[in-house]
Amino acid sequence: ETGVTQTPRHLVMGMTNKKSLKCEQHLGHNAMYWYKQSAKKPLELMFVYSLEERVENNSVPSRFSPECPNSSHLFLHLHTLQPEDSALYLCASSQSDRLAKNIQYFGAGTRLSVL
Amino acid sequence: EDQVTQSPEALRLQEGESSSLNCSYTVSGLRGLFWYRQDPGKGPEFLFTLYSAGEEKEKERLKATLTKKESFLHITAPKPEDSATYLCAVQARSGGYQKVTFGIGTKLQVIP
Repeated sequence: ETGVTQTPRHLVMGMTNKKSLKCEQHLGHNAMYWYKQSAKKPLELMFVYSLEERVENNSVPSRFSPECPNSSHLFLHLHTLQPEDSALYLCASSQSDRLAKNIQYFGAGTRLSVL
Repeated sequence: EDQVTQSPEALRLQEGESSSLNCSYTVSGLRGLFWYRQDPGKGPEFLFTLYSAGEEKEKERLKATLTKKESFLHITAPKPEDSATYLCAVQARSGGYQKVTFGIGTKLQVIP
Protein backbone atom coordinates (compact mmCIF):
# COMPACT_ATOMS: atom_id res chain seq x y z
CA GLU A 1 0.00 0.00 0.00
CA THR A 2 1.35 3.43 -0.91
CA GLY A 3 2.48 5.75 1.88
CA VAL A 4 0.00 8.59 1.23
CA THR A 5 -3.38 7.82 -0.32
CA GLN A 6 -5.77 10.44 -1.67
CA THR A 7 -9.39 9.99 -2.70
CA PRO A 8 -11.05 10.66 -5.00
CA ARG A 9 -8.48 10.91 -7.78
CA HIS A 10 -10.80 13.00 -9.93
CA LEU A 11 -13.68 15.27 -8.93
CA VAL A 12 -16.03 17.45 -10.97
CA MET A 13 -18.31 19.77 -9.05
CA GLY A 14 -20.57 22.70 -9.59
CA MET A 15 -20.08 25.99 -7.83
CA THR A 16 -22.93 25.32 -5.41
CA ASN A 17 -21.87 21.78 -4.45
CA LYS A 18 -20.24 20.62 -1.24
CA LYS A 19 -17.60 17.91 -1.46
CA SER A 20 -14.66 16.62 0.55
CA LEU A 21 -11.19 15.41 -0.33
CA LYS A 22 -9.63 12.71 1.81
CA CYS A 23 -6.01 11.94 2.58
CA GLU A 24 -4.61 9.05 4.61
CA GLN A 25 -0.97 8.41 5.45
CA HIS A 26 0.49 5.05 6.50
CA LEU A 27 3.97 6.32 7.38
CA GLY A 28 3.53 7.07 11.07
CA HIS A 29 4.12 10.76 10.45
CA ASN A 30 2.97 13.58 12.71
CA ALA A 31 2.56 16.42 10.19
CA MET A 32 0.23 16.66 7.20
CA TYR A 33 -0.14 19.29 4.49
CA TRP A 34 -2.51 20.43 1.75
CA TYR A 35 -1.04 21.97 -1.42
CA LYS A 36 -2.66 23.40 -4.56
CA GLN A 37 -0.90 22.85 -7.88
CA SER A 38 -2.00 24.90 -10.88
CA ALA A 39 -0.50 24.93 -14.36
CA LYS A 40 2.57 27.14 -14.74
CA LYS A 41 2.67 27.86 -11.00
CA PRO A 42 4.69 26.40 -8.15
CA LEU A 43 3.02 24.30 -5.49
CA GLU A 44 1.08 26.58 -3.13
CA LEU A 45 0.96 25.57 0.53
CA MET A 46 -2.59 25.81 1.87
CA PHE A 47 -2.62 24.24 5.33
CA VAL A 48 -0.23 22.57 7.76
CA TYR A 49 -1.28 20.30 10.60
CA SER A 50 1.04 19.06 13.31
CA LEU A 51 -0.22 16.46 15.76
CA GLU A 52 -3.75 17.27 14.60
CA GLU A 53 -3.43 20.99 15.32
CA ARG A 54 -3.43 23.53 12.53
CA VAL A 55 -0.16 25.46 12.54
CA GLU A 56 -0.51 27.33 9.27
CA ASN A 57 -3.36 28.70 7.20
CA ASN A 58 -1.69 30.31 4.25
CA SER A 59 -4.34 32.97 3.51
CA VAL A 60 -6.69 30.42 2.01
CA PRO A 61 -10.31 31.47 1.28
CA SER A 62 -12.90 30.20 3.73
CA ARG A 63 -14.57 28.11 1.02
CA PHE A 64 -11.75 25.63 1.77
CA SER A 65 -12.11 24.08 5.23
CA PRO A 66 -9.55 21.55 6.49
CA GLU A 67 -10.11 18.89 9.12
CA CYS A 68 -7.56 16.65 10.81
CA PRO A 69 -9.29 14.14 13.13
CA ASN A 70 -6.07 12.23 13.85
CA SER A 71 -2.46 12.14 12.71
CA SER A 72 -3.23 9.67 9.91
CA HIS A 73 -6.18 11.41 8.26
CA LEU A 74 -6.68 14.80 6.68
CA PHE A 75 -9.73 16.18 4.91
CA LEU A 76 -10.36 19.24 2.78
CA HIS A 77 -14.02 20.28 2.73
CA LEU A 78 -15.06 22.29 -0.30
CA HIS A 79 -18.10 24.53 -0.71
CA THR A 80 -19.20 27.25 -3.15
CA LEU A 81 -15.99 26.98 -5.12
CA GLN A 82 -15.04 29.14 -8.08
CA PRO A 83 -13.80 27.98 -11.51
CA GLU A 84 -10.33 29.32 -10.66
CA ASP A 85 -10.17 26.74 -7.87
CA SER A 86 -9.80 24.02 -10.50
CA ALA A 87 -6.38 22.45 -9.90
CA LEU A 88 -4.53 19.40 -8.62
CA TYR A 89 -4.81 19.21 -4.83
CA LEU A 90 -1.95 17.37 -3.19
CA CYS A 91 -1.66 15.99 0.28
CA ALA A 92 1.72 15.39 1.91
CA SER A 93 3.01 14.10 5.22
CA SER A 94 6.30 14.36 7.08
CA GLN A 95 7.78 13.09 10.31
CA SER A 96 7.45 16.51 11.93
CA ASP A 97 6.77 20.07 10.85
CA ARG A 98 9.45 21.41 13.20
CA LEU A 99 12.47 19.25 12.54
CA ALA A 100 15.09 20.23 10.03
CA LYS A 101 15.62 17.58 7.35
CA ASN A 102 11.85 17.43 7.09
CA ILE A 103 11.15 15.36 3.98
CA GLN A 104 7.57 15.57 2.74
CA TYR A 105 6.01 12.59 1.00
CA PHE A 106 3.14 13.23 -1.39
CA GLY A 107 -0.01 11.46 -2.45
CA ALA A 108 -1.08 11.16 -6.08
CA GLY A 109 -3.44 14.12 -5.79
CA THR A 110 -7.07 14.88 -6.57
CA ARG A 111 -7.72 16.55 -9.92
CA LEU A 112 -10.57 19.00 -9.22
CA SER A 113 -12.66 20.65 -11.92
CA VAL A 114 -15.18 23.34 -10.93
CA LEU A 115 -17.86 24.04 -13.50
CA GLU B 1 10.39 36.19 1.06
CA ASP B 2 11.88 32.84 0.06
CA GLN B 3 12.23 32.34 -3.70
CA VAL B 4 13.11 29.40 -5.90
CA THR B 5 13.81 29.79 -9.62
CA GLN B 6 14.27 26.80 -11.87
CA SER B 7 15.71 26.82 -15.38
CA PRO B 8 15.12 25.93 -18.06
CA GLU B 9 11.33 25.61 -17.89
CA ALA B 10 11.48 22.81 -20.45
CA LEU B 11 14.30 20.68 -21.80
CA ARG B 12 14.32 18.21 -24.64
CA LEU B 13 17.21 15.75 -24.85
CA GLN B 14 18.15 12.87 -27.08
CA GLU B 15 18.62 9.59 -25.28
CA GLY B 16 22.19 9.51 -23.96
CA GLU B 17 22.64 13.31 -24.15
CA SER B 18 23.74 14.48 -20.71
CA SER B 19 22.65 17.85 -19.29
CA SER B 20 21.95 19.78 -16.10
CA LEU B 21 18.93 21.44 -14.52
CA ASN B 22 19.40 24.55 -12.42
CA CYS B 23 17.69 25.66 -9.20
CA SER B 24 18.68 29.05 -7.80
CA TYR B 25 17.29 30.14 -4.48
CA THR B 26 16.99 33.06 -2.09
CA VAL B 27 16.15 32.01 1.44
CA SER B 28 16.88 33.20 4.94
CA GLY B 29 18.39 30.36 6.88
CA LEU B 30 18.42 27.39 4.53
CA ARG B 31 17.62 24.17 6.37
CA GLY B 32 17.55 21.90 3.34
CA LEU B 33 17.10 21.72 -0.44
CA PHE B 34 14.97 19.00 -2.00
CA TRP B 35 14.62 17.56 -5.46
CA TYR B 36 11.42 15.78 -6.51
CA ARG B 37 10.33 14.07 -9.67
CA GLN B 38 6.70 14.40 -10.81
CA ASP B 39 5.13 12.28 -13.52
CA PRO B 40 1.93 13.42 -15.26
CA GLY B 41 -1.15 12.84 -13.13
CA LYS B 42 0.90 11.88 -10.06
CA GLY B 43 2.23 13.54 -6.95
CA PRO B 44 5.87 14.54 -6.53
CA GLU B 45 8.25 11.69 -5.70
CA PHE B 46 11.17 12.46 -3.38
CA LEU B 47 14.66 12.13 -4.92
CA PHE B 48 17.31 13.94 -2.83
CA THR B 49 17.90 16.19 0.13
CA LEU B 50 20.99 18.43 0.37
CA TYR B 51 21.84 20.36 3.50
CA SER B 52 25.13 22.19 3.08
CA ALA B 53 27.19 23.78 0.29
CA GLY B 54 29.50 21.29 -1.34
CA GLU B 55 27.24 18.33 -0.66
CA GLU B 56 26.49 15.89 -3.48
CA LYS B 57 24.02 13.00 -3.78
CA GLU B 58 23.69 10.40 -6.53
CA LYS B 59 21.00 7.98 -7.63
CA GLU B 60 21.36 5.99 -10.84
CA ARG B 61 21.75 8.57 -13.65
CA LEU B 62 21.01 11.56 -11.40
CA LYS B 63 23.44 13.61 -9.36
CA ALA B 64 22.47 16.62 -7.26
CA THR B 65 24.91 19.28 -6.08
CA LEU B 66 24.54 22.33 -3.84
CA THR B 67 26.26 25.71 -3.54
CA LYS B 68 25.30 28.68 -1.38
CA LYS B 69 23.08 30.10 -4.11
CA GLU B 70 22.01 27.24 -6.35
CA SER B 71 21.66 23.55 -6.91
CA PHE B 72 22.16 21.49 -10.03
CA LEU B 73 20.57 18.22 -11.02
CA HIS B 74 22.92 16.52 -13.46
CA ILE B 75 21.45 13.83 -15.70
CA THR B 76 24.00 11.49 -17.25
CA ALA B 77 23.08 9.49 -20.37
CA PRO B 78 19.34 9.93 -19.83
CA LYS B 79 16.77 7.38 -20.94
CA PRO B 80 13.16 7.97 -22.06
CA GLU B 81 11.93 6.83 -18.64
CA ASP B 82 13.67 9.85 -17.10
CA SER B 83 11.07 12.07 -18.79
CA ALA B 84 9.21 13.94 -16.05
CA THR B 85 8.96 17.32 -14.36
CA TYR B 86 11.72 17.88 -11.81
CA LEU B 87 10.85 20.11 -8.86
CA CYS B 88 13.25 21.90 -6.56
CA ALA B 89 12.23 23.08 -3.09
CA VAL B 90 13.94 24.84 -0.18
CA GLN B 91 13.18 24.50 3.49
CA ALA B 92 13.55 27.37 5.96
CA ARG B 93 12.23 28.11 9.38
CA SER B 94 9.04 30.21 9.34
CA GLY B 95 7.47 30.98 12.66
CA GLY B 96 7.01 27.70 14.48
CA TYR B 97 7.46 25.30 11.59
CA GLN B 98 9.77 24.40 8.73
CA LYS B 99 8.32 26.02 5.60
CA VAL B 100 9.02 24.48 2.20
CA THR B 101 8.95 26.69 -0.93
CA PHE B 102 8.78 25.05 -4.35
CA GLY B 103 9.99 26.14 -7.77
CA ILE B 104 7.84 25.87 -10.86
CA GLY B 105 9.79 22.87 -12.15
CA THR B 106 11.70 21.82 -15.26
CA LYS B 107 9.83 19.59 -17.68
CA LEU B 108 12.29 17.10 -19.15
CA GLN B 109 11.58 15.10 -22.28
CA VAL B 110 14.05 12.41 -23.37
CA ILE B 111 13.60 11.27 -26.94
CA PRO B 112 14.63 7.73 -28.00
